[in-house]
Amino acid sequence: NAGVTQTPKFQVLKTGQSMTLQCAQDMNHEYMSWYRQDPGMGLRLIHYSVGAGITDQGEVPNGYNVSRSTTEDFPLRLLSAAPSQTSVYFCASSDRRTVGYTFGSGTRLTVV
Amino acid sequence: TQLLEQSPQFLSIQEGENLTVYCNSSSVFSSLQWYRQEPGEGPVLLVTVVTGGEVKKLKRLTFQFGDARKDSSLHITAAQPGDTGLYLCAARGRRTDSWGKLQFGAGTQVVVTP
Repeated sequence: NAGVTQTPKFQVLKTGQSMTLQCAQDMNHEYMSWYRQDPGMGLRLIHYSVGAGITDQGEVPNGYNVSRSTTEDFPLRLLSAAPSQTSVYFCASSDRRTVGYTFGSGTRLTVV
Repeated sequence: TQLLEQSPQFLSIQEGENLTVYCNSSSVFSSLQWYRQEPGEGPVLLVTVVTGGEVKKLKRLTFQFGDARKDSSLHITAAQPGDTGLYLCAARGRRTDSWGKLQFGAGTQVVVTP
C-alpha cells in the first residue's frame, strides 16, 4: 500500500501566489488532517475532516482552505501565500478514534 | 482547546542510560498516543493508550496513561542511538465530535550518543 501520499515534496512560492498541496490516501480512512510543523512548536492542526463532505477548523486555519469531495483526497489550498506560511506541512489519516494516524512524508514550503 | 505540555524539551543522554518523557494536560482525553519522528520524515505511531492507569510495553519502551487520563509518560530503558528522535504525544478529546481532532504537544528531542 502507498499509505498517505503528499505532493509536492518541496515548493518555493512568492508572496501572494496561490497553490494547492495535494494529499491522497488509499486506506479508506474516514479521518484526514493537515498539520504544519515549525521549530519548537510540534505539529499544529490546520484543518481536519471526519468524512467526505465534512471539514472543520483546527488551531491555525487562517490563510488555508480545504475540501473533501472524496474519501481518498484532502487538498490544502493557500489562497495568497505569506512568509509566515513557510513551514513543513504534513497530511495524515486514520480510520478510528483509537487508532493512530498515518502520516505522509511532508511538503517543505518556503514563501519568499 | 486542550493543551498538551511535554517535558523536557530536550534530552541528551549516553547509550545505556534510562530516560523519561512526560506529557501533561488539564483536560481529560479519550485516548493518548505517542509518536516518534526522525528528520525529514512524518511522525510514526508508537502506541495508543485508552484506559486510565494503563501501562503498555514495546520492547525497551514503557508507556503509562494516568489514572485520570490527563497525563502520560514514556520511559526508555537502556537507551540506544537508534532511539534518537523527536517524541510527540497527541490526544483526542472526549466528545465524539472531537474524535477527528488530534492535537500534539511540542515534542521532546531525544539524543542518544554512543
